[in-house]
Amino acid sequence: EAGVVQSPRYKIIEKKQPVAFWCNPISGHNTLYWYLQNLGQGPELLIRYENEEAVDDSQLPKDRFSAERLKGVDSTLKIQPAELGDSAVYLCASSLGLAGTTDTQYFGPGTRLTVL
Amino acid sequence: AQSVAQPEDQVNVAEGNPLTVKCTYSVSGNPYLFWYVQYPNRGLQFLLKYITGDNLVKGSYGFEAEFNKSQTSFHLKKPSALVSDSALYFCAVRFLYNFNKFYFGSGTKLNVKP
Repeated sequence: EAGVVQSPRYKIIEKKQPVAFWCNPISGHNTLYWYLQNLGQGPELLIRYENEEAVDDSQLPKDRFSAERLKGVDSTLKIQPAELGDSAVYLCASSLGLAGTTDTQYFGPGTRLTVL
Repeated sequence: AQSVAQPEDQVNVAEGNPLTVKCTYSVSGNPYLFWYVQYPNRGLQFLLKYITGDNLVKGSYGFEAEFNKSQTSFHLKKPSALVSDSALYFCAVRFLYNFNKFYFGSGTKLNVKP
């Protein structure tokens, strides 16, 4: 079974440029998460989707970050414009999303963003 | 506030010796506890979780963790460390009463020396 797929794996851009990350979750997983991981720190949730609905985006900096999951499967996270402080690893995770259960999150390999 | 703490930034252990990576949490309500491992340039890999039942949970690669409610801890253990266990370990807590949110610790770097 394929795991969570993310692309690109690495991205280097100039500040003020736009950038987009793509994630395809494990087949059948209804819940999708985007996390930000700074060097030497644990992941921090940016946004969580239940199917196509964003149910928790309280930590997403909405002035420059946006996300979509139009058909409830794959998802795109965008930053426009990027700032130096956005340099980090962006992780995508998915889970079955069974309500009221403790299902496990499975992570993709991440996209390492460097903003110059 | 609900949170999880990993008090050690780094743990050093010799190959063949037992290892412990510490995790404590603060919560109102019942926590669900997880351990993940991250190798360089890789995503987080699930190791084990505690939901309910036996306080000692066994997981992947010979790891286990003990849930201690009185000490609000969930330490990761392995009886005999391998050099290949060297990686970054994250404890995570999930609270069903807070939108199914996961809170991750800051991570502990495990160094296993030959």
